[in-house]
Amino acid sequence: DGGITQSPKYLFRKEGQNVTLSCEQNLNHDAMYWYRQDPGQGLRLIYYSQIVNDFQKGDIAEGYSVSREKKESFPLTVTSAQKNPTAFYLCASSTVGRQGYTFGSGTRLTVV
Amino acid sequence: DAKTTQPNSMESNEEEPVHLPCNHSTISGTDYIHWYRQLPSQGPEYVIHGLTSNVNNRMASLAIAEDRKSSTLILHRATLRDAAVYYCILSIGNTPLVFGKGTRLSVIA
Repeated sequence: DGGITQSPKYLFRKEGQNVTLSCEQNLNHDAMYWYRQDPGQGLRLIYYSQIVNDFQKGDIAEGYSVSREKKESFPLTVTSAQKNPTAFYLCASSTVGRQGYTFGSGTRLTVV
Repeated sequence: DAKTTQPNSMESNEEEPVHLPCNHSTISGTDYIHWYRQLPSQGPEYVIHGLTSNVNNRMASLAIAEDRKSSTLILHRATLRDAAVYYCILSIGNTPLVFGKGTRLSVIA
């Protein structure tokens, strides 16, 4: 079954620590995206990548970093520079163009 | 700036049709209209998309106004499992989708 997998589902970290969220897809999609969602809000774009070894900042990239070394994988690192990292993080993938996005089930990050 | 306007919330009775409206008055000729829905604590799920003509799939129908300044997502028979936040989004070229706050649909048994 093709799909997109995010892990872990829940993650707790101490303030000041970097943390990496995993996102893997086996849909052969070229493009991948990271969004952040806060309670009662819509999704905000953090980073996206339309091809391996290339990525672009979204609206709220500060305090985050990504890599795209393989087509299947697009990990997101939440650094200690991110002021309010506690949120629900969603990864998505798509073919480049106007087709629909496939989302993962999300990672809920809590920083204490 | 999501470029679409949706009501914050709507209610429907179970097994009745639901019409979810969306205004997009600044739409350009090549922008597609996408709909997604998000159940609690899950990632959004693609529902349907279209350009000019009305579209149907197993989940829903999309009715697009002739001037394309508005559209309506139609759930033909609402079930409790359709309770979710529904997002109407314009797909502009290859730029990533911009999600607004959507419409929270409640379904009453």
